[in-house]
Amino acid sequence: NAGVTQTPKFRILKIGQSMTLQCTQDMNHNYMYWYRQDPGMGLKLIYYSVGAGITDKGEVPNGYNVSRSTTEDFPLRLELAAPSQTSVYFCASTPSSLRWEGSQRETQYFGPGTRLLVL
Amino acid sequence: KNQVEQSPQSLIILEGKNCTLQCNYTVSPFSNLRWYKQDTGRGPVSLTIMTFSENTKSNGRYTATLDADTKQSSLHITASQLSDSASYICVVSGGFKTIFGAGTRLFVKA
Repeated sequence: NAGVTQTPKFRILKIGQSMTLQCTQDMNHNYMYWYRQDPGMGLKLIYYSVGAGITDKGEVPNGYNVSRSTTEDFPLRLELAAPSQTSVYFCASTPSSLRWEGSQRETQYFGPGTRLLVL
Repeated sequence: KNQVEQSPQSLIILEGKNCTLQCNYTVSPFSNLRWYKQDTGRGPVSLTIMTFSENTKSNGRYTATLDADTKQSSLHITASQLSDSASYICVVSGGFKTIFGAGTRLFVKA
């Protein structure tokens, strides 16, 4: 298994441009998540999904959109890039759970991250 | 307010030495506490997961402890190696929340 893969690894955007961060997992996990990690801060949840066709907002969803048309893919869309969106973005997944934030025995698998710079 | 605070912010130790990282939390209700290792430029990797009833969990040279009464956890690293240089993140879940700490940056020197 490749686990959780993300593309691209690094991207520079101009203010107002749009882009899609790709995330794919091959573990047949129902739950997928997008986080952003800013320097000196803990990861913040942007959006999550409990299965194909179902998505919901996390802690910091403004400026982002997601879709989940398949179990494997969970792309994150930035419509109008702003400097405040400069960050490292991580996609993650967990097996099916009764509680989306992770049950007692689940391991959350993270992708390698996408570093985004908005100038 | 639900918070997870880690200390120290950064730490430098010599190879072969032991160290202990701290995590204090105010997340309530409590479901589980996880420790992750994050190498530079990589995503976090799970080290341990502990529930309310568990007060210690080991993974090789890593041993995590949990005191649910005082809402404190520690991660002890034994006989450190250069490859232990990384950020260590404490994550606490409870209710419908998962709160990530900012991490402790560990540098192991030869």
